[in-house]
Amino acid sequence: DTEVTQTPKHLVMGMTNKKSLKCEQHMGHRAMYWYKQKAKKPPELMFVYSYEKLSINESVPSRFSPECPNSSLLNLHLHALQPEDSALYLCASSQGRAGLRNTEAFFGQGTRLTVV
Amino acid sequence: EDKVVQSPLSLVVHEGDTVTLNCSYEVTNFRSLLWYKQEKKAPTFLFMLTSSGIEKKSGRLSSILDKKELFSILNITATQTGDSAIYLCAVDRRGTGTASKLTFGTGTRLQVTL
Repeated sequence: DTEVTQTPKHLVMGMTNKKSLKCEQHMGHRAMYWYKQKAKKPPELMFVYSYEKLSINESVPSRFSPECPNSSLLNLHLHALQPEDSALYLCASSQGRAGLRNTEAFFGQGTRLTVV
Repeated sequence: EDKVVQSPLSLVVHEGDTVTLNCSYEVTNFRSLLWYKQEKKAPTFLFMLTSSGIEKKSGRLSSILDKKELFSILNITATQTGDSAIYLCAVDRRGTGTASKLTFGTGTRLQVTL
């Protein structure tokens, strides 16, 4: 199983809503990531979790709140978003284990978010 | 600031042609360079390169890294319409513990026509 599963696939939310994006992997990877991808642009790193601890926050606004409840799950909680936050949100995971060669990051299919 | 530059930005070729996509980078504490293919949503992994001069090959695709000149190329021979996609180059840096920190280039949009 080399799959990263993201739900929902599509999400439309108002600027006052609270919603969550979910990501799951069962490859035993200990590093998980959130990326944001705007149309016709490359993915941009938002957050990195290593062994369920937040290790990198790329100066992301606090209206985006990540959470890693366990080694297989990664959530992104959304609150008071702006229309310019509309994008494809990609989750990824990689081996990320101490003592092992790091491997490529596997990406999920993404959640296409529209903020209205 | 880390920089990954891909060229060309877009390319239209006929089925059967051979294409070469370029990626140059300026990154502190380089760890590896990766190539991904993105069709609709998820980038799918193609190659990871860590050592100079060693070609990686998978079917009609191959890639090589030059760490002295700071670039990589991705070759696709005998292109097919199914190769139409955006090809993303990304560089991973050391210093992020066991996790990756990928910086992506802007991508090359390849269109293969009949």
